[in-house]
Amino acid sequence: EAGVTQSPTHLIKTRGQQATLRCSPISGHTSVYWYQQALGLGLQFLLWYDEGEERNRGNFPPRFSGRQFPNYSSELNVNALELEDSALYLCASSLRLLQGSNQPQHFGDGTRLSIL
Amino acid sequence: DQQVKQNSPSLSVQEGRISILNCDYTNSMFDYFLWYKKYPAEGPTFLISISSIKDKNEDGRFTVFLNKSAKHLSLHIVPSQPGDSAVYFCAASEPGANSKLTFGKGITLSVRP
Repeated sequence: EAGVTQSPTHLIKTRGQQATLRCSPISGHTSVYWYQQALGLGLQFLLWYDEGEERNRGNFPPRFSGRQFPNYSSELNVNALELEDSALYLCASSLRLLQGSNQPQHFGDGTRLSIL
Repeated sequence: DQQVKQNSPSLSVQEGRISILNCDYTNSMFDYFLWYKKYPAEGPTFLISISSIKDKNEDGRFTVFLNKSAKHLSLHIVPSQPGDSAVYFCAASEPGANSKLTFGKGITLSVRP
């Protein structure tokens, strides 16, 4: 069974540009999550999508946005890139969360975004 | 405000011995806890989880213990193997549909042959 796949592996941009990162979840998983791991920091929650809707958002500015497609894949868009956006961006997926249930999140290998 | 803390940045253990990785949390609303292992250039791999209604969960060589009163959990690896050398992250989430994971900064485990 294929795991969570992310593309591209590496992405180099300059300040002010826009970046688009892509994620395909594990087959059967409907929830997709995005995390940022900047140098020296732990994984920080960015966004959660389920059934095409944004369900929760971390403490990031609005220039971080995304969407989830009908096939449950997802895009993360970062506008007006700043130097501090340089980080590893990890996508995770899980089975649909039912009220009161817990499902582990399974991660892809990430996209390394470098801002010059 | 760091709600999940892994205070020891590194741990070195002899092959065959027990590895004990510790994690503390401050948010009493957390009710689901997970451990992930991460190799360089790879994403975190889910290892084991525990719900707050339990105090122990075991899966092969991995056991997680939860002490709710102390807001402390630990991961025991027995016996430790060189392939266990990696960064280990503790994570936690609150109940309901919140679903975001809050991570610690990780512990680097080195298992010496």
